Amino acid sequence: GAGVSQSPRYKVAKRGQDVALRCDPISGHVSLFWYQQALGQGPEFLTYFQNEAQLDKSGLPSDRFFAERPEGSVSTLKIQRTQQEDSAVYLCASSAHRSRGYGYTFGSGTRLTVV
Amino acid sequence: TQLLEQSPQFLSIQEGENLTVYCNSSSVFSSLQWYRQEPGEGPVLLVTVVTGGEVKKLKRLTFQFGDARKDSSLHITAAQPGDTGLYLCAGLQLAGKLIFGQGTTLQVKP
Repeated sequence: GAGVSQSPRYKVAKRGQDVALRCDPISGHVSLFWYQQALGQGPEFLTYFQNEAQLDKSGLPSDRFFAERPEGSVSTLKIQRTQQEDSAVYLCASSAHRSRGYGYTFGSGTRLTVV
Repeated sequence: TQLLEQSPQFLSIQEGENLTVYCNSSSVFSSLQWYRQEPGEGPVLLVTVVTGGEVKKLKRLTFQFGDARKDSSLHITAAQPGDTGLYLCAGLQLAGKLIFGQGTTLQVKP
């Protein structure tokens, strides 16, 4: 597609439930990033893929968070046993290159609310 | 530890006024990017600055990258209500990770 697509747009989960958030990057983009954003704040880095390789997962808050990109295209961010502090907007971004002149294209995000 | 410090965090001004948003760091970045984000949407790239001392203009917006590639500023001339939004600076580390500042929420009142 023309842009980065994320689904679902909104997700309400009961505390303790597992959730899976999907990201479809721009076709051909090798780099894919996941960010977590609180209301009115800047996005916080979670993890980064280049093709199917997860190069950096230093931002994942706990071992309840897991991300994968098995074929180097679509990515899924999974959160197990959700907690209230996991409530946030989860943003996915893709980039064609690692070159310093290229910006990222972001999806509209998934707003997760844990009740 | 916040690698990128943005200031101010909130700004409410009247239409027609000028403003400057600052983005400072003790770290060197390979490039500095500015994004604008509206409610319910993802950030949208405004500009990328790569070379120390570089100045880029986008209509009424002027972006500058510091000589040492550690800081940047965004200046808006004659702000319009349509400029309202969350402005984010982001530094690209050599390892390919993009780090964001806390953001500046701008409200331009008609």
